[in-house]
Amino acid sequence: DVKVTQSSRYLVKRTGEKVFLECVQDMDHENMFWYRQDPGLGLRLIYFSYDVKMKEKGDIPEGYSVSREKKERFSLILESASTNQTSMYLCASLPTSTDTQYFGPGTRLTVL
Amino acid sequence: QKEVEQDPGPLSVPEGAIVSLNCTYSNSAFQYFMWYRQYSRKGPELLMYTYSSGNKEDGRFTAQVDKSSKYISLFIRDSQPSDSATYLCAGIKAAGNKLTFGGGTRVLVKP
Repeated sequence: DVKVTQSSRYLVKRTGEKVFLECVQDMDHENMFWYRQDPGLGLRLIYFSYDVKMKEKGDIPEGYSVSREKKERFSLILESASTNQTSMYLCASLPTSTDTQYFGPGTRLTVL
Repeated sequence: QKEVEQDPGPLSVPEGAIVSLNCTYSNSAFQYFMWYRQYSRKGPELLMYTYSSGNKEDGRFTAQVDKSSKYISLFIRDSQPSDSATYLCAGIKAAGNKLTFGGGTRVLVKP
């Protein structure tokens, strides 16, 4: 079974703090993704990575950065958290040979 | 206009009824279509995956794609309370790996 894990299920941070969200997959997948999910807006792609040290902007990259130093780990960074970044953050991975994504359980981030 | 549109619901049905879910999309480049189920406070899980127009069946689930009208559907037969969840449709271009999601439809199956 493919397993995608995220470092925290729930996180509460203050405005201006630097926030790290970590995602780890155990299936040697090349591609990893970060989405945020908000009511009425669905899932929106923030960043994705198709290889170690490679990254591509998604639809809403502003206010976020990412890091992929190892194949199994993809980190999402909020340099200076703001209240409008309160959301559910979902990580996903998939191998190059298929188009089906596997999702982690999500991190519900609240920025006060 | 969003590339993939879904009615947000909620769609409420009695147990045993057929659940009918629909999405429309605007991007002709989409080749593959997925349906995900998401329970509250969990990540989405893949239910069905289709390529090209036509039907695909898996147990109680049937996915339909009509590329001429840019319309995709998911039918759930003999619905159960455990089918209560949000259902997300998504499209993907053949050449890339970026999924474009609809907003999701919340389904409630009442015992």
